Amino acid sequence: DAKTTQPTSMDCAEGRAANLPCNHSTISGNEYVYWYRQIHSQGPQYIIHGLKNNETNEMASLIITEDRKSSTLILPHATLRDTAVYYCIVRVGGNQGGKLIFGQGTELSVKP
Amino acid sequence: NAGVTQTPKFQVLKTGQSMTLQCAQDMNHEYMSWYRQDPGMGLRLIHYSVGAGITDQGEVPNGYNVSRSTTEDFPLRLLSAAPSQTSVYFCASSGQGWGNQPQHFGDGTRLSIL
Repeated sequence: DAKTTQPTSMDCAEGRAANLPCNHSTISGNEYVYWYRQIHSQGPQYIIHGLKNNETNEMASLIITEDRKSSTLILPHATLRDTAVYYCIVRVGGNQGGKLIFGQGTELSVKP
Repeated sequence: NAGVTQTPKFQVLKTGQSMTLQCAQDMNHEYMSWYRQDPGMGLRLIHYSVGAGITDQGEVPNGYNVSRSTTEDFPLRLLSAAPSQTSVYFCASSGQGWGNQPQHFGDGTRLSIL
C-alpha cells in the first residue's frame, strides 16, 4: 500500500502558485519523498525529490516539514500545461530501495 | 539520447496468446522495473531488476515473467494472455544508488486482450 495521503483533486488559477500537500506520517529516516506527475496517459514524469531539506529545481519547489511527516510541492506559476495527476511517493534511498509505490495522486486542474 | 524505449506502443491479443513487451534504456542504468496502470488507478509494480541476472517480484507479478540478460534490456513476457491483463504497461530505469535517483519512464505500451 502507498505510504502517502493526498487530496483527490485540486484547482488552481493559471499564473498562480499551485501548492500540493502530501502526508507521509510513517516515513522512515532513510526514505526520500518523490514527486512525479502524469499528463493524460503518458509515462510519469519526475519532478523533484528530497530527504529532509527543502529542494528547488527548474520545475518546482519541495517543502518538507521538520518532522518529515508531510510535504508540499509548489509549482510557482502554474500554466495550463501543468494540468496532470501528481503523485507523492516515499522511497527507500540507496541500493536497498528503488521501488516506487504509487497511490491515487492528486488531479490538478489549472484553469484560465 | 533516447532514454527508455518501449515497443510496441499498441498491441491487441487474443486470450491465451503470448507476447513479449520490450524495454530498452541507453543510460547504463542498473535498476529497471515494469509497472501496469489500469484506468483511474496509479501504477502498480510488476517486476523489477537491480542488475543483469537479478530480478524480483513487485506487487502484482502473477501472469508475467521477466529476465535481465543485459544491462540495457528488460523484457516482460505474458505467457498466456488473459483479459485481466488489459492495461497500459510502463517500463522505468534508475542509475546507481537507485533509491535516491529519479526513475525515468518510457511512453508505455497499451495492451488489449480480447
